[in-house]
Parts: sequence; C-alpha cells; structure tokens
Amino acid sequence: GQNIDQPTEMTATEGAIVQINCTYQTSGFNGLFWYQQHAGEAPTFLSYNVLDGLEEKGRFSSFLSRSKGYSYLLLKELQMKDSASYLCAVKDSNYQLIWGAGTKLIIKP
Amino acid sequence: SAVISQKPSRDICQRGTSLTIQCQVDSQVTMMFWYRQQPGQSLTLIATANQGSEATYESGFVIDKFPISRPNLTFSTLTVSNMSPEDSSIYLCSVEVRVSEPFFGPGTRLTVL
Repeated sequence: GQNIDQPTEMTATEGAIVQINCTYQTSGFNGLFWYQQHAGEAPTFLSYNVLDGLEEKGRFSSFLSRSKGYSYLLLKELQMKDSASYLCAVKDSNYQLIWGAGTKLIIKP
Repeated sequence: SAVISQKPSRDICQRGTSLTIQCQVDSQVTMMFWYRQQPGQSLTLIATANQGSEATYESGFVIDKFPISRPNLTFSTLTVSNMSPEDSSIYLCSVEVRVSEPFFGPGTRLTVL
C-alpha cells in the first residue's frame, strides 16, 4: 500500500529552528508537497520538490531525497504565527495526491 | 494561481437531510477535486470532477451518497446526502492550475446533529 509518515506533533521555541520529517512509500513519484494548515482553515501551499536537493523560500526550506523516500521541511526564525499543522503529500504514478496525517507544530514563547 | 470560493462556509444540519456545497473558481480548470477532512485527520479524496463526464469516486465513496455536478469549467457542486453525524467534517474543493501547485478553497465546515 501507499504510506506517508510524519510525526504527529512537535514543539519548538519562538526564534528557533525546527525540522519536520516526512517519509513516503508510494507507487511511483511525481513530486512532493508541503502545505501549512491553520486550525479551521484550508491548507495553503508552501513548497514543491520533484528533484533531489534543497529548495529555499524565505524562512522555509524543503529537502527531498528520492532514493531514501524522505523529505523534510525546515522552518527558521520561528514565529508564533507558524503554529499550525504541516501536511506532507506525494503525487503517485497516477498523479494522485497521497496525504500524510500532518504534523501539529506548537510554538512556545 | 487560482482563487477558489466555497458556499456555504459552514452549516449545521439535521440527520437525514442533504446539503449541497458549491465551488467556484476564477479561471477555467479541467479537473476539480473534492476532499473531506474529518476532525484531527488529514485530507481524504472523495472524487475527481471533470466537466462533461461523470465524477470519478475513490474507494469508500459512492455517487448516491456524494453526488457531484460539474456543469462548466469554473464550477462544481458536491451534495452530502442523507447525512449522519459521521459526515461532520470539513469539505474542501481543490484545483490544479499547474501540476506543481494544487490550490484549495476555504472549505465548508459541516456539523450534523
């Protein structure tokens, strides 16, 4: 079957750095996505990786290793507004999005 | 990018009734997707709606329970029929303008009593 694993919950301190990991096993691979979702709101797009390596976008970076079936989302200079759930999703060989359960990130002052 | 609106934003419904959710996109798109997100859970794809053909449903979802319309390239509706408390969820409409960037509507928060 297809599976995406990410930690259920993480806690970090304002101003610090946090890394959220995602491992996947899917039938084929056509890109990996990270989304941010605040409570009661729709997911918003953060990043897309289809080739190995690091993609940097401001305070957020996303890394992909296709051979290891592994990605991480790195958040720097954490702010209280970064408290949210972070969803990892992979497009399989049929270009269907397979979603992880999400990581709830709690930022403490 | 794409701007997606959904109506209603939330509703509280009685068991046994039906609710139709509307999704409007500001540009023409080939495929529209309907997701469900139950409390504390991740997203589950209900069906893919193509204009001019019947929707394609995922395992565990059937047309009688979740009929979908797609009358044109910018609009779709999802009906949740004969509702039960287990249908309480957020329902999300999604489109892909490009393969690398699926967009989501603001969601419809449904509570079934």
